[in-house]
Amino acid sequence: AQKITQTQPGMFVQEKEAVTLDCTYDTSDPSYGLFWYKQPSSGEMIFLIYQGSYDQQNATEGRYSLNFQKARKSANLVISASQLGDSAMYFCAMQIIQGAQKLVFGQGTRLTINP
Amino acid sequence: GAGVSQTPSNKVTEKGKYVELRCDPISGHTALYWYRQSLGQGPEFLIYFQGTGAADDSGLPNDRFFAVRPEGSVSTLKIQRTERGDSAVYLCASSLGTGGLNTIYFGEGSWLTVV
Repeated sequence: AQKITQTQPGMFVQEKEAVTLDCTYDTSDPSYGLFWYKQPSSGEMIFLIYQGSYDQQNATEGRYSLNFQKARKSANLVISASQLGDSAMYFCAMQIIQGAQKLVFGQGTRLTINP
Repeated sequence: GAGVSQTPSNKVTEKGKYVELRCDPISGHTALYWYRQSLGQGPEFLIYFQGTGAADDSGLPNDRFFAVRPEGSVSTLKIQRTERGDSAVYLCASSLGTGGLNTIYFGEGSWLTVV
């Protein structure tokens, strides 16, 4: 079975600062992906970035980067130069490549950006 | 349409009533997922369709829940004899469903309240 753990229920950051959201995972499958989604108060789950287990380099997408440390089973999301609009819930999720490819989600971290 | 579309966006129903929630996936996406998200929690997997068939329904909580996708596009989640504990956001998602990692895109959800 797969498990995702997000240990930070809430984070408060000053605007323009960088922020790291933690995510650790557990799986015995060798082929998987780690995904991050943003969920604003409107409720929509917005895809941000993903990293495959065999990818050699950390994924980057604009202000988002994924700090993937396979030996530690961690896949932290880094947001550079935070903006007020980044305030939302952030979910880390795992996808096993074989089979249904369903996502298993963590409990989420609520990020608040202060002006 | 451009994204995953879900209707209704909000539904209030009385305990014991029957409810249908509809999902229109991204055009060309063969994989379709239903998730349920309770307040303060991450989404939980309910069921996965590849084409018309339910390839994995292991997340359905009991036999009051059923989903169909008769033509391999639009899907309907059906809940019989609703209970107050069914109150949640029901999220639909879709992906290309091809081999390898597939990004899963979510709709805005159907907020169900059972009173």
